[in-house]
Amino acid sequence: EAGVTQFPSHSVIEKGQTVTLRCDPISGHDNLYWYRRVMGKEIKFLLHFVKESKQDESGMPNNRFLAERTGGTYSTLKVQPAELEDSGVYFCASSHRTGSGNTIYFGEGSWLTVV
Amino acid sequence: AQSVTQPDIHITVSEGASLELRCNYSYGATPYLFWYVQSPGQGLQLLLKYFSGDTLVQGIKGFEAEFKRSQSSFNLRKPSVHWSDAAEYFCAVGAKGGGGNKLTFGTGTQLKVEL
Repeated sequence: EAGVTQFPSHSVIEKGQTVTLRCDPISGHDNLYWYRRVMGKEIKFLLHFVKESKQDESGMPNNRFLAERTGGTYSTLKVQPAELEDSGVYFCASSHRTGSGNTIYFGEGSWLTVV
Repeated sequence: AQSVTQPDIHITVSEGASLELRCNYSYGATPYLFWYVQSPGQGLQLLLKYFSGDTLVQGIKGFEAEFKRSQSSFNLRKPSVHWSDAAEYFCAVGAKGGGGNKLTFGTGTQLKVEL
């Protein structure tokens, strides 16, 4: 069974440009999450999808970030325009069960550098 | 709101020595607790989890963790460390909500193994 896959693995862009990160969750997982780790800081929750619906987007830092999950399969996270402080690792994760006891599986992350 | 404290930012141990990484959490109900590891250039891998039941949890790679409600702790242990265990370790607490688990991470403990 394939794990959570993320693309691109690494991206270097200039300030003001746009970057789109993609995440393919584990097949059959309704729950999809985005997290990020800015350099030197802890890993922080960004948002949570249940199928195609945004369940919780309380962690999204500002309106430069847009997440979508059309059709309830893969998800994209767009940063437009990118700022220097957006540099970090963006993790996608997925889980199967709703309610208690579900295990969250993470991808390898998309490493974003804004210069 | 839940929080996680990993008091040790860096730990250095000799190969073959025992290891204990500390984790304290703050959460108003029965927590879901996790330990993840991130090796250099890799994603987050789940080491073990606690949802309920036996408070001593066994994980992969010879790791174990013990949930102590009275101390609000979930320390990670390994009896004999291998050089390949050098990585960053994250403790996380999960809050049930919206059908999924929203994880709050600690700041991580960087483990260095001396040969």
